[in-house]
Amino acid sequence: KAGVTQTPRYLIKTRGQQVTLSCSPISGHRSVSWYQQTPGQGLQFLFEYFSETQRNKGNFPGRFSGRQFSNSRSEMNVSTLELGDSALYLCASSFYWAGERNEQFFGPGTRLTVL
Amino acid sequence: GQQLNQSPQSMFIQEGEDVSMNCTSSSIFNTWLWYKQDPGEGPVLLIALYKAGELTSNGRLTAQFGITRKDSFLNISASIPSDVGIYFCAGYHYNQGGKLIFGQGTELSVKP
Repeated sequence: KAGVTQTPRYLIKTRGQQVTLSCSPISGHRSVSWYQQTPGQGLQFLFEYFSETQRNKGNFPGRFSGRQFSNSRSEMNVSTLELGDSALYLCASSFYWAGERNEQFFGPGTRLTVL
Repeated sequence: GQQLNQSPQSMFIQEGEDVSMNCTSSSIFNTWLWYKQDPGEGPVLLIALYKAGELTSNGRLTAQFGITRKDSFLNISASIPSDVGIYFCAGYHYNQGGKLIFGQGTELSVKP
């Protein structure tokens, strides 16, 4: 079974631009979560989607948004990029949303650099 | 918000040595997960724990779900150079919906 895929793997943008990242979950998984990873803050939860609905949201500004499609693929968008948005953005998929067995499987990440 | 305290932050050991790291929380969890992350890659799930007191092994790795449900540890026996990486614990409680809480990670270096 193929793992979680994320595109692109690397991205360089300038301040003020916007960016869209894509995530394809493991086949059969309906839950997709997004995380931001930086050396200083570690892994920070952005949001989680299940069956095209946002079920949970972290403490990030409204510039960070996401959506999920009917095939469970998900995108996240960051508008008006700031230097501090430079990070590794990780997507994770799981079969369940909430419940006991919330094993999340991560993709390789998208490395975003904002200049 | 909730936080997990993971220790130690880093370890530098000799090949063949055993390693132990742990995570503690002020809140109880229903699930504990342990991940390993290599540079430039996403975390890989190593072990999942679902019951207080549960002890689970995956090759040279052994992890336990603490009785109080507020802690977990991971042991690596007979370390090898490919064990190098960052190990994360993550906890989950039903009330969090789909949100995992991650520890800050333990960076492991292994000297051949």
